[in-house]
Amino acid sequence: KNQVEQSPQSLIILEGKNCTLQCNYTVSPFSNLRWYKQDTGRGPVSLTIMTFSENTKSNGRYTATLDADTKQSSLHITASQLSDSASYICVVSDRGSTLGRLYFGRGTQLTVWP
Amino acid sequence: EADIYQTPRYLVIGTGKKITLECSQTMGHDKMYWYQQDPGMELHLIHYSYGVNSTEKGDLSSESTVSRIRTEHFPLTLESARPSHTSQYLCASSDGGELFFGEGSRLTVL
Repeated sequence: KNQVEQSPQSLIILEGKNCTLQCNYTVSPFSNLRWYKQDTGRGPVSLTIMTFSENTKSNGRYTATLDADTKQSSLHITASQLSDSASYICVVSDRGSTLGRLYFGRGTQLTVWP
Repeated sequence: EADIYQTPRYLVIGTGKKITLECSQTMGHDKMYWYQQDPGMELHLIHYSYGVNSTEKGDLSSESTVSRIRTEHFPLTLESARPSHTSQYLCASSDGGELFFGEGSRLTVL
């Protein structure tokens, strides 16, 4: 069964600290993996998209890694800010149509305290 | 920044009412989607469209219906709302690569 599992479910860190969020998936065949940031009451916003051949991709203070062999991805946030408080959603796409079928994780709820 | 808009952002209605959630995008995308999201849960696809006059049901069974008469417009309609329809509804569009989401419509049915 194609699934996307994220951990931890929630996380609280102090402003300025780093953190790493995990995503494990069983989706096959694999096309790409995306990380989205969703502020409370808002729509998700894309952070990174990684294909099979990409191991690391950065977007400012956000760095995503992908290990397609172990089917694991991580999102590392450096020097956290209060505005990083949000839900971070991992989405995996299989091969198929141009966009593929999308499988969503339940997200990790990150809270950054001052 | 994505040019995809949803209205209303918040709606509280009584059981049995008919409601339409509006979604419009100005990016000329052929592909549009409706997702349902409950707190702490993953997004579930309820409808999608790959172009004008093309609509399909998604993975999650839904009593809602959609239409795609114009490329930029993809409204979702509930003929008779029930408390079980209380949820966050997210519209999205795509050019085949990136997926852009609207801000969502929070529906509460009393």
